[in-house]
Amino acid sequence: DAGVTQSPTHLIKTRGQQVTLRCSPKSGHDTVSWYQQALGQGPQFIFQYYEEEERQRGNFPDRFSGHQFPNYSSELNVNALLLGDSALYLCASSWNYETQYFGPGTRLLVL
Amino acid sequence: KQEVTQIPAALSVPEGENLVLNCSFTDSAIYNLQWFRQDPGKGLTSLLLIQSSQREQTSGRLNASLDKSSGRSTLYIAASQPGDSATYLCAVCHYNQGGKLIFGQGTELSVKP
Repeated sequence: DAGVTQSPTHLIKTRGQQVTLRCSPKSGHDTVSWYQQALGQGPQFIFQYYEEEERQRGNFPDRFSGHQFPNYSSELNVNALLLGDSALYLCASSWNYETQYFGPGTRLLVL
Repeated sequence: KQEVTQIPAALSVPEGENLVLNCSFTDSAIYNLQWFRQDPGKGLTSLLLIQSSQREQTSGRLNASLDKSSGRSTLYIAASQPGDSATYLCAVCHYNQGGKLIFGQGTELSVKP
């Protein structure tokens, strides 16, 4: 059973560009959450998707948007990239409110 | 607003020592608390999850306790090994905030051989 997978592993973009990150949840999980982790900090909650709808949202601007597909996989989109968006983006999947399993992350560098 | 604090920020110990990592939170209305391990540049590995109704959980050399009334959790690592070197993060999940996890900033542990 594959765990949570994310793609790509690394990404380099320039300011103003747009980026799409992808996540496939662990088998049997229906909930996907996205987190941003800056260097030396704990992860910060971006949003959570359940049944293809955004169920919860953290304190992030509208430049951050997402989507969940019928197979429970998810995308995170960030528009108009800023230097401060450089971070490790983590996807986590779970069934209901139980243990969240994290993927390896996507390292985004904005130049 | 829930705040999670982890002390110390960094810890260095010789191999074989028993050690305790601390996590405190300001709002006791939590659904559960999880401890994670993170190796440099990697994702998070779930170590232990404690439900709000539980006092502790154990897995191998790890034991996590939860005292909701005082807003504290501890992660006890017995007989530490160099392979335990990593950053340890605690996170709380609230009843009224869905599955959103609120993380502390982590404790960076170094176990010297």
